[in-house]
Amino acid sequence: KAGVTQTPRYLIKTRGQQVTLSCSPISGHRSVSWYQQTPGQGLQFLFEYFSETQRNKGNFPGRFSGRQFSNSRSEMNVSTLELGDSALYLCASSFGPPGNEQFFGPGTRLTVL
Amino acid sequence: AQSVTQPDIHITVSEGASLELRCNYSYGATPYLFWYVQSPGQGLQLLLKYFSGDTLVQGIKGFEAEFKRSQSSFNLRKPSVHWSDAAEYFCAVGVMEYGNKLVFGAGTILRVKS
Repeated sequence: KAGVTQTPRYLIKTRGQQVTLSCSPISGHRSVSWYQQTPGQGLQFLFEYFSETQRNKGNFPGRFSGRQFSNSRSEMNVSTLELGDSALYLCASSFGPPGNEQFFGPGTRLTVL
Repeated sequence: AQSVTQPDIHITVSEGASLELRCNYSYGATPYLFWYVQSPGQGLQLLLKYFSGDTLVQGIKGFEAEFKRSQSSFNLRKPSVHWSDAAEYFCAVGVMEYGNKLVFGAGTILRVKS
């Protein structure tokens, strides 16, 4: 069974631009969560989507948004990029009910110049 | 507020020695817990989880963890460390009320000396 895939793996943008990251969950999984990982703040929860609905949201500004499609694939978008948005963005895939295993993708490394 | 503490930022052990990584959480509800491992530049690999039932759980790569409700702890152990275990380890906690949202500890970097 294929694992969680994230595209692109690396991305370089400049301040003020916007970016879209994609996550394809494991087949059959309906929940996708997104996390931001930085050396200073560690791993922080962005949001979770389940059956195309946002189920939970972390404490990030409105510039960070996401969506989920009917095939469970998810995208997250960051508008008006800031230098501080440079991070590894990870998505996690799960069947859906809380407490089930969550499997992470390899991440997208975003660098904002 | 919910929080997860991994008291040790770095740990160095000799190859073949035993290992224990500590994790303490602060939650008002009954949590479910995970341990993940991350190699440099990679995503997170799930080692094991606790949801309910037996408080001693077995995971992959010879790891185990014990959930102690009275101490709010979920420590990770391995009886004999291999050089390939060198990586960063994260404890993560969730509660049913918040779906699949996980709160992560700051991580413990494990160094293995030969």
